[in-house]
Amino acid sequence: RKEVEQDPGPFNVPEGATVAFNCTYSNSASQSFFWYRQDCRKEPKLLMSVYSSGNEDGRFTAQLNRASQYISLLIRDSKLSDSATYLCVVVHASGGSYIPTFGRGTSLIVHP
Amino acid sequence: DTGVSQDPRHKITKRGQNVTFRCDPISEHNRLYWYRQTLGQGPEFLTYFQNEAQLEKSRLLSDRFSAERPKGSFSTLEIQRTEQGDSAMYLCASSFQGTDGEQYFGPGTRLTVT
Repeated sequence: RKEVEQDPGPFNVPEGATVAFNCTYSNSASQSFFWYRQDCRKEPKLLMSVYSSGNEDGRFTAQLNRASQYISLLIRDSKLSDSATYLCVVVHASGGSYIPTFGRGTSLIVHP
Repeated sequence: DTGVSQDPRHKITKRGQNVTFRCDPISEHNRLYWYRQTLGQGPEFLTYFQNEAQLEKSRLLSDRFSAERPKGSFSTLEIQRTEQGDSAMYLCASSFQGTDGEQYFGPGTRLTVT
């Protein structure tokens, strides 16, 4: 089983739709969680951190479920500009180091 | 522009040659990370530094890969005796200590091994 798993998609949704992505992780000792966005042929950019209590930033909501070992990202009122690949990141401690592991990403296409 | 920079942006080399990539992090950041990304995959962690100390290198893909950050500022990633399977995007990122997941990425160096 991969350390971090994501459905690669693509998720094809109309403008204005609500879409949700999940990301599962295997290491129960994982400590911190993040969502990144990557546009085609560009570098990843931090979208938001994921806190145990959940967090919201405008149209984006991230949640963590430690019991089931997954994180989620909800995008409301999708815009054409939301089209991108969304990468989840899980950080775990290993021998005093902190190792970030990226999922393969979920592709989102928002169409008119 | 005070973001992360990488040089070169593209590198084409013949199999068997050595290549070296450079990364200049955000100046206030003391942590620097190297990743490899292939098509359809997320970035794959290779190694990272805190200042000049290399804290994790067990994920380097083979002994042909090495990285340095001699003065705690810029870093280099070297691949010796390149193979076609090394063709990928090599990404560098930096962060503050204690915010390991909040990383700022450079534009990457695309390596093509022919």
